[in-house]
Amino acid sequence: DIVMTQTPLSSPVTLGQPASISCRSSQSLVHSDGNTYLSWLQQRPGQPPRLLIYKISNRFSGVPDRFSASGAGTDFTLKISRVEAEDVGVYYCMQATQFPLTFGQGTKLEIK
Amino acid sequence: EVELLESGGGLVQPGGSLTLSCVASGFTFSSYAPSWVRQAPGKGLEWVSTLLSGGSTVYADSVKGRFTISRDNSKNTLYLQMNSLRAEDTAVYYCARYTTSTTSRGVDVWGQGTTVTVSS
Repeated sequence: DIVMTQTPLSSPVTLGQPASISCRSSQSLVHSDGNTYLSWLQQRPGQPPRLLIYKISNRFSGVPDRFSASGAGTDFTLKISRVEAEDVGVYYCMQATQFPLTFGQGTKLEIK
Repeated sequence: EVELLESGGGLVQPGGSLTLSCVASGFTFSSYAPSWVRQAPGKGLEWVSTLLSGGSTVYADSVKGRFTISRDNSKNTLYLQMNSLRAEDTAVYYCARYTTSTTSRGVDVWGQGTTVTVSS
């Protein structure tokens, strides 16, 4: 199984300031078709997860452009350019390159 | 609007059985690979099972042999039959839409979840 490791596990951020979350996979997420199926999810308190980013860097429908992501191979990053109050929650990276689908442990984003 | 609505959660004794349902709306249900993902209290996300095109199924090792995923396309409904339940199966179970296309493979839509508690 591919193990996904996120850092940090907790990120206190000041409103309006940037935030960054890293995700590392235990093996390359490049699929045999050449694509890299790495997604980022947001889970606000008391809510189900919500897709933010798919295939490393593509924003899902309705996701604000203050969210961006990058990476390749085994190292990936999610960035929020200016944190807003509604961004509080837990962020997960997830790989869909192979089964079993696996998730990072989650990074809790909170406001200082 | 694309929506997934789960039901069937509840309290069950260890060793018992439960069947979860998920009704899909707003998209062509038969064109996607529906899945179940769970989240134990205060914990992270754990993939449980996916029903792929052609009817093939994949399961997490932790539920293999105990859980069965199935669908009824005529009712736009996904099921999860859970047998021999254990305390560690206690979780919120989310129905999720897994997209298999190379354009956007991954889980892109999530239901609100249904809670399963295994306890005596």
